[in-house]
Amino acid sequence: DGGITQSPKYLFRKEGQNVTLSCEQNLNHDAMYWYRQDPGQGLRLIYYSQIVNDFQKGDIAEGYSVSREKKESFPLTVTSAQKNPTAFYLCASRPELNEKLFFGSGTQLSVL
Amino acid sequence: EDKVVQSPLSLVVHEGDTVTLNCSYEVTNFRSLLWYKQEKKAPTFLFMLTSSGIEKKSGRLSSILDKKELFSILNITATQTGDSAVYLCAVASFEVDSNYQLIWGAGTKLIIKP
Repeated sequence: DGGITQSPKYLFRKEGQNVTLSCEQNLNHDAMYWYRQDPGQGLRLIYYSQIVNDFQKGDIAEGYSVSREKKESFPLTVTSAQKNPTAFYLCASRPELNEKLFFGSGTQLSVL
Repeated sequence: EDKVVQSPLSLVVHEGDTVTLNCSYEVTNFRSLLWYKQEKKAPTFLFMLTSSGIEKKSGRLSSILDKKELFSILNITATQTGDSAVYLCAVASFEVDSNYQLIWGAGTKLIIKP
C-alpha cells in the first residue's frame, strides 16, 4: 500500500541530545513537509523540500535540521538548540500540481 | 499577513445534532481551501474547494466556499460519536515565482456526546 511512514511513534529526548525523526514515502511525491502541532493549535511549518537535495526553512525552523538525499526520505533532526521540543510532529507529502497533502501518523516527542 | 481563522475553537453537541464549522481567511493568491479531520494522529482529507457556491458532499458531511465573503463552512448532519475530532481548515496559495504555501487554521475541536 502506498503511504507515508513516520517512526518512531513516541520519542523521548534527554537534555542536550539531538534526536532524528524518520519520514519515508512511497507515493513518488516530489514535495515533502514537516509540521509541528502543539495542543490546541494548528500546524506550523518547520521545513519543506520541493525536490531532492533541496529544502527551505518554514516558519519555525530554528533548532531543527533536515536532509533530502533521496526522494522517498525526509528525516527531521531536533537539535539541542530547540529548547521546547515537546510536540506532535507530522510529516506530509504532496503530488505535483495538487494542493492536497498526504500525512503520516506522526511522532510524539517528549522531553525527559 | 495571510491568516486563516476557524470558529468555534471547540464545540460539544449531542449525537444526532447538526453542526456547522466555520473557516474565514485572508490570503493573497488564493488557490483552494481544504478541510481535514484529525482524530488522533494523521489528518485525513475531507474536501478541497476552489469555486464559490458549489457544494461538495460526502455522506453526512458537506462544505461550501464563498470567495466573495472569504469563508467556508463544513456541515455535519445527524452527528455520530465517530465524528468527534479536530477539524482543520487550510488555504493554499501560489505566488508567482514562489512556492506553494498552505496556511492552517487552529482547528475546531468537536465532541459528540452519546
